[in-house]
Amino acid sequence: ILNVEQSPQSLHVQEGDSTNFTCSFPSSNFYALHWYRWETAKSPEALFVMTLNGDEKKKGRISATLNTKEGYSYLYIKGSQPEDSATYLCALSDSNYQLIWGAGTKLIIKP
Amino acid sequence: DGGITQSPKYLFRKEGQNVTLSCEQNLNHDAMYWYRQDPGQGLRLIYYSQIVNDFQKGDIAEGYSVSREKKESFPLTVTSAQKNPTAFYLCASSIGGGATYNEQFFGPGTRLTVL
Repeated sequence: ILNVEQSPQSLHVQEGDSTNFTCSFPSSNFYALHWYRWETAKSPEALFVMTLNGDEKKKGRISATLNTKEGYSYLYIKGSQPEDSATYLCALSDSNYQLIWGAGTKLIIKP
Repeated sequence: DGGITQSPKYLFRKEGQNVTLSCEQNLNHDAMYWYRQDPGQGLRLIYYSQIVNDFQKGDIAEGYSVSREKKESFPLTVTSAQKNPTAFYLCASSIGGGATYNEQFFGPGTRLTVL
């Protein structure tokens, strides 16, 4: 059974500071890695889909990197703002094209 | 507006009763999914459907049933056989189910509480 781990479980960051967190996954039989953002009282929304080792994706102040050989992805947020407060989920595509989800990193931005 | 709707937002059920959660999408997506979320855990797949009139069990299908008679609709029934049904349920859809990179679009969820 594939297992996707996210760390830390929660994170408090001062507004304006930059931060990052990790998604770890089995490095064998890699297909794709997804990042989603889930704000309170809203639905999860896709941020990135990453498929190639060394991939780097960027959307505004948020970026992600992928290392499929060692089985991890980092999500970076530069200059955190209150609107970045959310739970960030990563999910690994399996051989049946389904997603195996991590438990998420809950990010709280302190003004 | 295109999107996914789930109803109701909150649902209370007595032990021993079946209950059906609604999920509708107008995105013209072929694939639809039901997930369950419990505190401290990742989303777990209950059932998924890649096309109308076809569906497959996910990792935790026991005690649940689904139907996919229309492309737009994928209702989930939580039966009395589900031993621990209190949870938050999310429905999602994607363009197709046969690709590793397809983004999933989510509904707002239904919180089910068994009294």
